[in-house]
Amino acid sequence: QSALTQPASVSGSPGQSITISCTGASSDVASYDSVSWYQQHPAKAPKLMIYDVSNRPSGVSNRFSGSKSGNTASLTISGLQAEDEADYYCGSYTSSSTLVFGGGTKLTVL
Amino acid sequence: EVQLLESGGGLVQPGGSLRLSCAASEFIFSSYAMTWVRRAPGKGLEWVSSISGSGDSRYYADSVQGRFTISRDNSKNTLYLQMNSLRAEDTAVYYCAKDYRGSKADAFDIWGQGTMVTVSS
Repeated sequence: QSALTQPASVSGSPGQSITISCTGASSDVASYDSVSWYQQHPAKAPKLMIYDVSNRPSGVSNRFSGSKSGNTASLTISGLQAEDEADYYCGSYTSSSTLVFGGGTKLTVL
Repeated sequence: EVQLLESGGGLVQPGGSLRLSCAASEFIFSSYAMTWVRRAPGKGLEWVSSISGSGDSRYYADSVQGRFTISRDNSKNTLYLQMNSLRAEDTAVYYCAKDYRGSKADAFDIWGQGTMVTVSS
């Protein structure tokens, strides 16, 4: 159950786009379209932003989009806004019927 | 409003036990797999355990296997996590989370507010 690999931090200016990568293995990201992304603000519960690689739950801004290629999934945030500053986590279903998260990425809006 | 409310956290000595509860409301509890996720201070999210809607299937992270037990009482709309042989590294905020679709715990759309567990002498 090794954690998925995410960059520790990314940053961007308001209005710009950023992409956060999430690299896994053949037993998780590469084998399942069950990749999800979560946003967590300080002292708050995580919020589901993307499920099944690229689907947005109702109420999530279309500025958030997801994709996957091989064993790497990506979250792209376009038109960056101050309120997007948060920690972001990817998660993937695994061949053991468990779930594994990435280490998390801190997004700073400059 | 669909809601999850955790309780049961607190300070416990190493080797001790604690039982967390998660009360669910405003959705058909038995239709959804449920999961516990934790976040240790200064660390990221860690999946802990999941249970199917019926309670027949249970899954655990290697780090808690044999020490933690997940269970649910569908008549009470409540999820539990029994934590035994607690270690300092179990110190974290524990969240319960509802699966988005129901059957497979792979995406979590509703989260509780979290309950803090501190393991220290």
